Amino acid sequence: AQSVTQLDSHVSVSEGTPVLLRCNYSSSYSPSLFWYVQHPNKGLQLLLKYTSAATLVKGINGFEAEFKKSETSFHLTKPSAHMSDAAEYFCVVSGAYGGSQGNLIFGKGTKLSVKP
Amino acid sequence: GAGVSQTPSNKVTEKGKYVELRCDPISGHTALYWYRQSLGQGPEFLIYFQGTGAADDSGLPNDRFFAVRPEGSVSTLKIQRTERGDSAVYLCASSLLGRGNTDTQYFGPGTRLTVL
Repeated sequence: AQSVTQLDSHVSVSEGTPVLLRCNYSSSYSPSLFWYVQHPNKGLQLLLKYTSAATLVKGINGFEAEFKKSETSFHLTKPSAHMSDAAEYFCVVSGAYGGSQGNLIFGKGTKLSVKP
Repeated sequence: GAGVSQTPSNKVTEKGKYVELRCDPISGHTALYWYRQSLGQGPEFLIYFQGTGAADDSGLPNDRFFAVRPEGSVSTLKIQRTERGDSAVYLCASSLLGRGNTDTQYFGPGTRLTVL
């Protein structure tokens, strides 16, 4: 079975400082991994995805994540936070079909706050 | 182009009533998913359609929940005899090809259901 654990329910950073949102996964298969962002009253938007290609994945808005199989981690980072980054972030795993897409399994989310 | 749309955006009903929630996927997407997001949680899978058929309904919580996609495009999620515990945001997503592929799921803004 697949699952994800987001290690922090809330992260607060100052504008211009680095962002680190942590995620560990569990999967019986080679997983596909995603990060989605959810702004208030808006739909979930895909930030980036890993599907067994390059382990360092670059996404939109300056975010990136690194797949580390030995640590079963897929942490999301950004060098410099912007006020507009304040939102809820979800780490997601899918892998019921040998690395291809199955149903998405979401973590509980990490709320990112950005202080001016 | 147009994204995934869902109607209504908000629905308030009384315990025991019947409700229908509608999802319009991105044109040409063969796969359609329903998820439910309870307060403070990540979305949870309900049902997956490939074309007109429900390929996987293992996430439906009980037989009060039913979904259809008669022409392989628009889908309706139906909830009978609603209970207060059904209150949540119901999310719809669509993807071009569906399971067995690595294409992205695109989410709608959701329908917030409140059962009084």
